[in-house]
Amino acid sequence: DQQVKQNSPSLSVQEGRISILNCDYTNSMFDYFLWYKKYPAEGPTFLISISSIKDKNEDGRFTVFLNKSAKHLSLHIVPSQPGDSAVYFCAAREMTSYDKVIFGPGTSLSVIP
Amino acid sequence: EAGVTQFPSHSVIEKGQTVTLRCDPISGHDNLYWYRRVMGKEIKFLLHFVKESKQDESGMPNNRFLAERTGGTYSTLKVQPAELEDSGVYFCASSQLPGANNEQFFGPGTRLTVL
Repeated sequence: DQQVKQNSPSLSVQEGRISILNCDYTNSMFDYFLWYKKYPAEGPTFLISISSIKDKNEDGRFTVFLNKSAKHLSLHIVPSQPGDSAVYFCAAREMTSYDKVIFGPGTSLSVIP
Repeated sequence: EAGVTQFPSHSVIEKGQTVTLRCDPISGHDNLYWYRRVMGKEIKFLLHFVKESKQDESGMPNNRFLAERTGGTYSTLKVQPAELEDSGVYFCASSQLPGANNEQFFGPGTRLTVL
């Protein structure tokens, strides 16, 4: 039973435009959300996170939005660059089990020059 | 500072054989985690060590999997006997502290193929 869902397996965006990656979750016990980025033959690397008490967190070109009532979050990348091409994993942690990261299946982003 | 390293990078074995994966965490990181990604699906948690103790092994699929972390340094994950459904990429991660805001650093993974 998948608790973190990323319904778009892939996404293509032109360089300079906005990339929006979406994520939905089912577990109401999640209170901390993360995005990881993964290049081929490498492990996931932490990108940005958001606590459930916030609805937005921004770090440079990356912004994560959280809609807790809809159990939905999104990652915005503006402007998109070719080096952003990677698999992006949405992930979450439960308040009672912080060390266990629950991942979604990932969205493969291609930024076209 | 060296990152998390894993060995081997690839392993191809036949069903019924035994395979041992190794993970060396970042020096000084007491927390070590094993995860697995099967067939392009989500990355699933397997277990969590704090030093040499298993803190949470709720994600271990069955008793064919044995994880150890003798001395609280590197860890091994043994699969015996391997089955076809064990194929996937096994990631190891480490962190300095437990808790919500602590970042887990991932290794490059070991791709296991069971034929």
